Amino acid sequence: GENVEQHPSTLSVQEGDSAVIKCTYSDSASNYFPWYKQELGKRPQLIIDIRSNVGEKKDQRIAVTLNKTAKHFSLHITETQPEDSAVYFCAWGYGNKLVFGAGTILRVKS
Amino acid sequence: GAVVSQHPSWVICKSGTSVKIECRSLDFQATTMFWYRQFPKQSLMLMATSNEGSKATYEQGVEKDKFLINHASLTLSTLTVTSAHPEDSSFYICSAPSAQGSEKLFFGSGTQLSVL
Repeated sequence: GENVEQHPSTLSVQEGDSAVIKCTYSDSASNYFPWYKQELGKRPQLIIDIRSNVGEKKDQRIAVTLNKTAKHFSLHITETQPEDSAVYFCAWGYGNKLVFGAGTILRVKS
Repeated sequence: GAVVSQHPSWVICKSGTSVKIECRSLDFQATTMFWYRQFPKQSLMLMATSNEGSKATYEQGVEKDKFLINHASLTLSTLTVTSAHPEDSSFYICSAPSAQGSEKLFFGSGTQLSVL
């Protein structure tokens, strides 16, 4: 079936450094790519999304880049802070559904 | 943004009993809602798509007779786990599109189900 690969599974960075998480998808027809942040025991929160007609989108310290040819998209967090520590999930639109990646545990060390 | 309310937030039940979980869109209408299951340290796995006024669409491998879904109104979908067993213990979470046809999902707060 359709799936999305997400790497790395865990990521530790020092406060202030940048963090990059990458996802690869399989369906070239997909045109919507969101990123969700989930804290322990909480609901996933949409933090940024991008559509296939755009190559990059930025919102303050968070940015997403999309390479449709290579079928991968990445989340970039700059100037990381301890409160950025959470699990991050990429997803991509498949029909009227979203397929989620396996998640990346981000730990920001102060 | 749109708010999706989910209750209960956690439930403990005995094996063999049924548990109902409610998902409400508070300030918008949702003709479609999605139900996900999340095991510890794993991703969100789509179980089924709840459709207002019609039958739910289940993903492959999800037993429709075990996970009953009812979407009787434009703001409420319910998931009933029937004859629950310990292996059904999981975090169940619903979501609704921010607008009809939109891929942007807003999630409920989730329900942690523990079956003894």
